[in-house]
Amino acid sequence: EVQLVESGGGLVQPGRSLRLSCAASGFTFDDYAMHWVRQAPGKGLEWVSGISWNSGSIGYADSVKGRFTISRDNAKNSLYLQMNSLRAEDTALYYCAKDKTIAVTGIYDYWGQGTLVTVSS
Amino acid sequence: QSVLTQPPSVSAAPGQKVTISCSGSSSNIGNNYVSWYQQLPGTAPKLLIYDNNKRPSGIPDRFSGSKSGTSATLGITGLQTGDEADYYCGTWDSSLSTGVFGGGTKLTVL
Repeated sequence: EVQLVESGGGLVQPGRSLRLSCAASGFTFDDYAMHWVRQAPGKGLEWVSGISWNSGSIGYADSVKGRFTISRDNAKNSLYLQMNSLRAEDTALYYCAKDKTIAVTGIYDYWGQGTLVTVSS
Repeated sequence: QSVLTQPPSVSAAPGQKVTISCSGSSSNIGNNYVSWYQQLPGTAPKLLIYDNNKRPSGIPDRFSGSKSGTSATLGITGLQTGDEADYYCGTWDSSLSTGVFGGGTKLTVL
């Protein structure tokens, strides 16, 4: 059974940093691209970032480019999102999502339950 | 504003059929596969349709997808109260090099 478990969310002040983690199990992690997708309270889905199986292809939404960094450790079956210079508009539930293929295609066949990030003073 | 355009809400009676549209452009829907996601209240999204019209195992054939040009459509037949959820279309945008979603459509089964 595929499982994606996010952690690392919490309340943080504007301008500070936070690192999210996603522990994957139930599939061969390094055979698939991975993504972070967020959902602000009461709003729709927003793609944040994606990374190919070998970290050779990485992309970011314009809203987070230059502030967020996605990475993965295939030996640990883990995905990460380093979030710096956080803003109030980054407040959201952050989902880890598995791509259906080895490349970044934007087809998310499994999702975690999300970790909540609240940016507020 | 979402890159893909969906109606904010649709409704229909139990047992009836409903369609949800998703409009984009040549850089996204026009040249990439479309997927659809169901988000039940308080839960994570779930993949319903991928590659425009394919269903993952376990998804009933009441759910169908189609694509024409720069638009896609999700169809749901035999509506059940358990289908009440938010539905999102998604794809890749080749110009932006980003994933993109529609704004979501809330389905009410009256």
